[in-house]
Amino acid sequence: EAGVAQSPRYKIIEKRQSVAFWCNPISGHATLYWYQQILGQGPKLLIQFQNNGVVDDSQLPKDRFSAERLKGVDSTLKIQPAKLEDSAVYLCASSLGGTQYFGPGTRLLVL
Amino acid sequence: GESVGLHLPTLSVQEGDNSIINCAYSNSASDYFIWYKQESGKGPQFIIDIRSNMDKRQGQRVTVLLNKTVKHLSLQIAATQPGDSAVYFCAENPSGAGSYQLTFGKGTKLSVIP
Repeated sequence: EAGVAQSPRYKIIEKRQSVAFWCNPISGHATLYWYQQILGQGPKLLIQFQNNGVVDDSQLPKDRFSAERLKGVDSTLKIQPAKLEDSAVYLCASSLGGTQYFGPGTRLLVL
Repeated sequence: GESVGLHLPTLSVQEGDNSIINCAYSNSASDYFIWYKQESGKGPQFIIDIRSNMDKRQGQRVTVLLNKTVKHLSLQIAATQPGDSAVYFCAENPSGAGSYQLTFGKGTKLSVIP
């Protein structure tokens, strides 16, 4: 079974630029999560989708972050404009309603 | 503040010894707990989980113990191998059954000495 796919794996941008991350969950997984993991810390949930609907986005900085899952499968997370403190690994996870399975993450460096 | 934390940020063990990684949680409503292993440059990998109606669960070389009285979770790794070197995170589901949202602790780095 293929795991959660994410791209790109690495991204370097300058502050105030925009960036987008893509996630393809495990086939059949209705629930999709985006996490932010700052160096030395555990992952922090940004947003949770159930199919194409948002379950919880209470920790998503909505002034600069947006996410969508239009067809209930793939998802994109966007940051516009990026700040220095957005430098982190962005992890996508999916589940069938239980155990979350993570992708490899996208490592973002904002200069 | 975070409701899940770890007692030891780093742990070094000799290859072949058993490892014990501890975790404290503060949310009495949490009913699901999970341990993840994260190797450098990779996403967290599921190790084992446990529900609040259990106090022990065993997997292959790993055992998770849950003590709800003192809100404590531990991961035991038997016969630790160099491949076990990683950061280990405990996570809890503080929202109760249904949402399966997870709150992660800061992690413990396990180093295995060959």
